[in-house]
Amino acid sequence: KAGVTQTPRYLIKTRGQQVTLSCSPISGHRSVSWYQQTPGQGLQFLFEYFSETQRNKGNFPGRFSGRQFSNSRSEMNVSTLELGDSALYLCASSPPTASRNTGELFFGEGSRLTVL
Amino acid sequence: DAKTTQPNSMESNEEEPVHLPCNHSTISGTDYIHWYRQLPSQGPEYVIHGLTSNVNNRMASLAIAEDRKSSTLILHRATLRDAAVYYCILRDRGIQGAQKLVFGQGTRLTINP
Repeated sequence: KAGVTQTPRYLIKTRGQQVTLSCSPISGHRSVSWYQQTPGQGLQFLFEYFSETQRNKGNFPGRFSGRQFSNSRSEMNVSTLELGDSALYLCASSPPTASRNTGELFFGEGSRLTVL
Repeated sequence: DAKTTQPNSMESNEEEPVHLPCNHSTISGTDYIHWYRQLPSQGPEYVIHGLTSNVNNRMASLAIAEDRKSSTLILHRATLRDAAVYYCILRDRGIQGAQKLVFGQGTRLTINP
């Protein structure tokens, strides 16, 4: 069974540009969540999507947005990039049969964004 | 979100047991205790979770204190592949469908050959 796939794995952007990251969840998983990991702040929750609807949102500015498609694939977008947006962006999916908050999340290997 | 406290780092030897502590003194009755670990250059992976009783799986054991204010992740025979950052996380079972994990700084486990 294929795991969570994130593309691209690495990318370099300059300040002011925008970036779109993609996440393909494990087949059959309908919940997709995104996390940002930086050396200073650690792992922080960005948002979660379920059945194309944003179900939960972290404390990030509006420059960070996401969406989910009918096939459960998800994208996140960061506009007007800042140096501080340099981070590893991780996507996680979870199966629909998971008990409320007792099921495990399956993480991808992440997309490493460098902003110059 | 309820907080957890873990030592920043721990060190152990290969093939010896490892006990990773976690304090969660403000845990509520609806919080599950989850453990994830992050190997170098990888995303986090689920290890184990529990509510009140001790739990075992193929990866580890979770010992939960009677008052639930602390727990210990036990790796019975550490291998070099167990070197990772281990995160202890509380998840509220009352929040239906929420898949939000609140990560602390975790414990960086070093395994000596």
